[in-house]
Amino acid sequence: SQTIHQWPATLVQPVGSPLSLECTVEGTSNPNLYWYRQAAGRGLQLLFYSVGIGQISSEVPQNLSASRPQDRQFILSSKKLLLSDSGFYLCAWTPFGGREWAEQFFGPGTRLTVL
Amino acid sequence: AQTVTQSQPEMSVQEAETVTLSCTYDTSESDYYLFWYKQPPSRQMILVIRQEAYKQQNATENRFSVNFQKAAKSFSLKISDSQLGDAAMYFCAYRSAISGGSNYKLTFGKGTLLTVNP
Repeated sequence: SQTIHQWPATLVQPVGSPLSLECTVEGTSNPNLYWYRQAAGRGLQLLFYSVGIGQISSEVPQNLSASRPQDRQFILSSKKLLLSDSGFYLCAWTPFGGREWAEQFFGPGTRLTVL
Repeated sequence: AQTVTQSQPEMSVQEAETVTLSCTYDTSESDYYLFWYKQPPSRQMILVIRQEAYKQQNATENRFSVNFQKAAKSFSLKISDSQLGDAAMYFCAYRSAISGGSNYKLTFGKGTLLTVNP
């Protein structure tokens, strides 16, 4: 069966510090991967998605970047955090192709607080 | 671009009663998927139910069912025999059925917070 992991679960960082959040998927190959941010306990905003190694698409201009160094690894980074980067970050995946796999499967999330 | 609107920021229901959560969406596509996700206090996103737009039959999953009105672009979720464990934030989401790249992304509504009263 497939599982998705995110770490860390919780992070408190000062303004101006770097950030690295990691997401890994097990039990599948060539997944599509996604990073979402959820602010103030409300809706989810898509930040980045990836359809393959080294292929990153950004949905919203911002202080963050993403990388996919391996097939099942997706990393969210920042060189200098802003207060507005605080939120709950969710990683998600979908199997490659196929109508029968339309839904996304989400990781447990990372709660980031920037002080 | 597609949009998803959930007009009820909060709803409440008595345990064992039935509640309906509303969702409308806007799209120019004819083939797509719609979902309801549940986010309990743990904040783990859990798929509740999915609907393919090409299917006329409304999807059901145990106590959860949808009323899919394609012409009206409406996709409501009905929870029957509500239980305390149903208390959560519920999100409606849209996904294009067109293959490739950004079409696989989900567009979410802002959510409805459901409270279940004992």
